[in-house]
Amino acid sequence: GAVVSQHPSWVICKSGTSVKIECRSLDFQATTMFWYRQFPKQSLMLMATSNEGSKATYEQGVEKDKFLINHASLTLSTLTVTSAHPEDSSFYICSARNPGTSGMSYEQYFGPGTRLTVT
Amino acid sequence: AQSVSQHNHHVILSEAASLELGCNYSYGGTVNLFWYVQYPGQHLQLLLKYFSGDPLVKGIKGFEAEFIKSKFSFNLRKPSVQWSDTAEYFCATRRPLRWRGGKLIFGQGTELSVKP
Repeated sequence: GAVVSQHPSWVICKSGTSVKIECRSLDFQATTMFWYRQFPKQSLMLMATSNEGSKATYEQGVEKDKFLINHASLTLSTLTVTSAHPEDSSFYICSARNPGTSGMSYEQYFGPGTRLTVT
Repeated sequence: AQSVSQHNHHVILSEAASLELGCNYSYGGTVNLFWYVQYPGQHLQLLLKYFSGDPLVKGIKGFEAEFIKSKFSFNLRKPSVQWSDTAEYFCATRRPLRWRGGKLIFGQGTELSVKP
């Protein structure tokens, strides 16, 4: 199956600094990638939809200036948490849509997630 | 708006017991439905999906789910669980792409603990 990787798998940063998380589709080209946030023992909350070559679409309540998303190529999307604060500590998961399947029934594959801890 | 509700937050079963996890969705139109599993320390994996056709869907590892449109439900079942099924299970729904949907919306998740 299709593989999505994330880097780093975990990161600790100081409050006020910025952190970049990479999401790569390893064996397919993904025109659309999604970024989710997961709190402990809770569900995945969609943060934004990232389309290659265009601006990301953010969900209501997600600060676009704080969570910068760049989808510069068909295999890479990045999420930058700017001026991170302890409340940004969370598990960030990306997902990539496999365009090989057309119409409604496309597949979506998930990365292993990145654990961000802001001290 | 689209939403997904999972009835059970934490389910504890003994090995060989039967499993049924409830899932209800709110969107009244055509939806794609999914069950994902997240084993401890691992990434989300697709268990099964429903797009159209036979409402009884069979997935991997002996799991199945039944789509009941009249009840807006997509419950996950397994006749006999194993210790290795211990994981977090997420139901998810997605509007078909052609309606400019395509966003996967997750339920709250159900933690399944199987006692050996």
